[in-house]
Amino acid sequence: GAGVSQSPSNKVTEKGKDVELRCDPISGHTALYWYRQSLGQGLEFLIYFQGNSAPDKSGLPSDRFSAERTGGSVSTLTIQRTQQEDSAVYLCASSYGTSIYEQYFGPGTRLTVT
Amino acid sequence: GENVEQHPSTLSVQEGDSAVIKCTYSDSASNYFPWYKQELGKRPQLIIDIRSNVGEKKDQRIAVTLNKTAKHFSLHITETQPEDSAVYFCAASIQGFVNQFYFGTGTSLTVIP
Repeated sequence: GAGVSQSPSNKVTEKGKDVELRCDPISGHTALYWYRQSLGQGLEFLIYFQGNSAPDKSGLPSDRFSAERTGGSVSTLTIQRTQQEDSAVYLCASSYGTSIYEQYFGPGTRLTVT
Repeated sequence: GENVEQHPSTLSVQEGDSAVIKCTYSDSASNYFPWYKQELGKRPQLIIDIRSNVGEKKDQRIAVTLNKTAKHFSLHITETQPEDSAVYFCAASIQGFVNQFYFGTGTSLTVIP
């Protein structure tokens, strides 16, 4: 079946603009995760959804970052007033959510803020 | 919150030798420990995982060991091959109501032919 998809694959934006990143998880996966990976760095946890709820938003770097998930499926990560330090690859992953915890990652969105 | 440390950050081995990557975690409530492999330009993929009720798990050339008392776990790759070259990430998670994953900073493994 289809894996996790993300769009756009690449996004170049000017400093100060808002961007929206989209994640389509695997059908039936109740858990959805967002991570940020800077060049050559590890995976920084941003936020996790179980269904449409985000139990912990403390991983979001600042109040310019927000995320939502509707219908227990698609999720959108929004970055307002982008800064150059926001440049990174944003990865989304989904998992079945209970009992089976393997995360399936999407291809990522490479965000470049100029 | 949980803090996962991973060592070494880079590792080079000769083909056929073994590679060991170690991780420590801080939260004794963590009960699920996966390892992900990320090849250059590709997405991370799960290669093996272990739950806190097990001390060791093997899958062909890959094994993971867990020491709950010391709060550390390790990835062992035997008979390394060039295709094992990648970045490996460990993670710790408390499975339950809040399924947060805390990843280590990664180990770049190079297998020299």
